[in-house]
Amino acid sequence: QSALTQPASVSGSPGQSITISCTGSSSDVGGYNHVSWYQQHSGKAPQFLIYDVSNRPSGVSDRFSGSKSGNTASLTISGLQADDEADYYCSSYTRSDTWVFGGGTKVTVL
Amino acid sequence: QVQLVQSGAEVKEPGASVTVSCKASGYSFTSHYMHWVRQAPGQGLEWLGILRPWGDRTIYAQKFRGRITMSRDTATSTHYMQLNSLTAEDTAVYYCARDQSWASDVWGQGTMVTVSS
Repeated sequence: QSALTQPASVSGSPGQSITISCTGSSSDVGGYNHVSWYQQHSGKAPQFLIYDVSNRPSGVSDRFSGSKSGNTASLTISGLQADDEADYYCSSYTRSDTWVFGGGTKVTVL
Repeated sequence: QVQLVQSGAEVKEPGASVTVSCKASGYSFTSHYMHWVRQAPGQGLEWLGILRPWGDRTIYAQKFRGRITMSRDTATSTHYMQLNSLTAEDTAVYYCARDQSWASDVWGQGTMVTVSS
């Protein structure tokens, strides 16, 4: 199972919105609505942001939103803040009854 | 609150085995699957497998089948991940993560495993 494709880096200024893409195939992202997103600050464990494409767990800021079109899922961060500077990973359930992660995207707040 | 507390760092020689534990608290142990994920230094997340704590059903990533075993002890609410035939490429931080709605909602603090002669 190949890793999902994410851009290596995305940057934005405080207050702006950015979008991170996550491209897979019909065997994973395109075939199921079980796409999730995680934020990982340097040296820390990942934190849960989004599940089932667009659902936010309680406690997660509404500045984070998810969507999907075909084989590509997206995470949008609006009102970018300094603390949003981190690595972001997507994950999807797959046809093989396994899970796969994206390669990760480093978000820089300019 | 829901917590996953993992065992401490390990240093192993090539060819050895390592077992990482993950003690769960704050929720019904048998109500959730448990994922295992690893992260090599400077690299991304890699999914290793998942265990259903009732019935011991496991699903492993194809890359690790044959040298990984996941298990649990319901009496102590602890999950275990054993990886055999270690090489330098297995040097990584290993995480357990509780499954909720086909996602990982709570993560352990991570266990550093270093493989070196």
